[in-house]
Amino acid sequence: ETGVTQTPRHLVMGMTNKKSLKCEQHLGHNAMYWYKQSAKKPLELMFVYSLEERVENNSVPSRFSPECPNSSHLFLHLHTLQPEDSALYLCASSGQGGTEAFFGQGTRLTVV
Amino acid sequence: GQNIDQPTEMTATEGAIVQINCTYQTSGFNGLFWYQQHAGEAPTFLSYNVLDGLEEKGRFSSFLSRSKGYSYLLLKELQMKDSASYLCAVRAFSGGYQKVTFGTGTKLQVIP
Repeated sequence: ETGVTQTPRHLVMGMTNKKSLKCEQHLGHNAMYWYKQSAKKPLELMFVYSLEERVENNSVPSRFSPECPNSSHLFLHLHTLQPEDSALYLCASSGQGGTEAFFGQGTRLTVV
Repeated sequence: GQNIDQPTEMTATEGAIVQINCTYQTSGFNGLFWYQQHAGEAPTFLSYNVLDGLEEKGRFSSFLSRSKGYSYLLLKELQMKDSASYLCAVRAFSGGYQKVTFGTGTKLQVIP
């Protein structure tokens, strides 16, 4: 248990569905991240939120929409995804002053 | 941007020592992390280096040379459970906040 909780752990959705991934941390961290991990590829940084403000969007398609309502919660809203979006989506959080990032267990997403 | 290189795969024998190298190129360097990731699981933090030298933590040690843009992770007395991917990650200041970028990971297989 890292202190970062992601739900759901597994998700299967059709290309016309709308779903949301949730991430929650109570570590007092003020930065939260979404990463995508596809097979045989490195972890790809998707979004960074620092103090609840989105500070980075790594050219992610608009069918992925992040939301950070407060410093403890992060969402990734999904709509009209493609089969190539199937991957492990990892949330992480970190604090100021140089602490390591703690990862959630991830959501295994399959788009059919 | 950042460029991080590490070998794709390595194989080592149970009880032996293995060294996994990582080279990087970045501006605004502010630390290097090593993470372990078992298949289907989230990465877990192993070590952090920000100053030159060796950090030892039990069977695992990590070395950093900032001038050379080089780090290695040393695993001693290898156990079968050490079979996993090992991720090198570099943190750097970018646009007023700290960004962590991961390498592709080195898949280590420990054989009897």
